[in-house]
Amino acid sequence: SQTIHQWPATLVQPVGSPLSLECTVEGTSNPNLYWYRQAAGRGLQLLFYSVGIGQISSEVPQNLSASRPQDRQFILSSKKLLLSDSGFYLCAWSSELVNTDTQYFGPGTRLTVL
Amino acid sequence: AQKITQTQPGMFVQEKEAVTLDCTYDTSDPSYGLFWYKQPSSGEMIFLIYQGSYDQQNATEGRYSLNFQKARKSANLVISASQLGDSAMYFCAMREGRIYGQNFVFGPGTRLSVLP
Repeated sequence: SQTIHQWPATLVQPVGSPLSLECTVEGTSNPNLYWYRQAAGRGLQLLFYSVGIGQISSEVPQNLSASRPQDRQFILSSKKLLLSDSGFYLCAWSSELVNTDTQYFGPGTRLTVL
Repeated sequence: AQKITQTQPGMFVQEKEAVTLDCTYDTSDPSYGLFWYKQPSSGEMIFLIYQGSYDQQNATEGRYSLNFQKARKSANLVISASQLGDSAMYFCAMREGRIYGQNFVFGPGTRLSVLP
């Protein structure tokens, strides 16, 4: 079966510091991968998605970037965090091989920027 | 314009009763998919049920069923025999067309509270 991992689970970082959040998927090949952000009490905002290694599409211009160095690894980064980057970050995967277009989510990373 | 509308910010239901969470959507694409997710206080988004635009029958998954009314563009989630563990945020989502990525949108969510 497929599983998705995210780490760290929680993170407190000062303004201006760098960020690296990691997401990995097991049990499937060539998944589509997604990064979402959820502000407190709000819905989900799609940040990035990737359909393959090195292929990243950005939905919202911002302080963040994403990379996909391996087939099942998706990384969200920032060089300098802003206060507005605080939120709950969710990684998700989907695959045409498994229930065509349902997105399955990881446990999330709660980021607080002080 | 909002693609997904969930008009109930919060809902209460008595344990063991059924509850309906509303979702309306807006699309001109004949091929689309509708999803419901549950988000408990832990934060993880849990997939509950899926309905394809060409599916003839309403989707069901255990205690969850989706009341799909295509002409009205509604996809309400029905939870039967509510349990205390059903207390959570519930999100309706839609995938338009067959292109992955940006065509997957979420509604604002409904907070369900199950009362003992």
